[in-house]
Amino acid sequence: DTGVSQNPRHKITKRGQNVTFRCDPISEHNRLYWYRQTLGQGPEFLTYFQNEAQLEKSRLLSDRFSAERPKGSFSTLEIQRTEQGDSAMYLCASSSGQGARNSPLHFGNGTRLTVT
Amino acid sequence: AQSVTQLDSHVSVSEGTPVLLRCNYSSSYSPSLFWYVQHPNKGLQLLLKYTSAATLVKGINGFEAEFKKSETSFHLTKPSAHMSDAAEYFCVVSALNTDKLIFGTGTRLQVFP
Repeated sequence: DTGVSQNPRHKITKRGQNVTFRCDPISEHNRLYWYRQTLGQGPEFLTYFQNEAQLEKSRLLSDRFSAERPKGSFSTLEIQRTEQGDSAMYLCASSSGQGARNSPLHFGNGTRLTVT
Repeated sequence: AQSVTQLDSHVSVSEGTPVLLRCNYSSSYSPSLFWYVQHPNKGLQLLLKYTSAATLVKGINGFEAEFKKSETSFHLTKPSAHMSDAAEYFCVVSALNTDKLIFGTGTRLQVFP
């Protein structure tokens, strides 16, 4: 179990630029989740996948955000035309097929995005 | 809608003394509740979960939580704090008919020697 891996650890970008983050889940996990955490707050759900299918998206995920999991393994989260309000820690988690209610989510260390 | 409220943003205890982190929940159905812990520079980790079985739930590292429906509470306790318990703790409820978890705002636990 090598854990959930997220890259990069930190990203600093200028407002208006596009950024892409990558998440590699635990290999046997078929569910993958993206959360966002701002300072002083708990993580907020963004979206999740079962295998390659994106099953739910939060209203927080505006049109500038897109997530993919093309082969049911790693996932990418892209933010287009970044805004300062996008500055946050982006967390990825994975779990087995029973879902978050019954199986623990295994979180990565996150990607910290700073938009200047 | 489901939600959790963590009543303390910071809790400070001395090593060897009891820990109490308070959480109240709001749910229109019988909820699944969790406590997750976040150590500095590490990923969130599940401490324990309640899913309508025993109301007293034991977790890792000596933590436990009691589900009290009459008080809509799910407080986290530990009899004796250790320095390594210093971290951010999140009370979490699962949303209905979805695979989404709803996190509280967190309680930062400090442990003094």
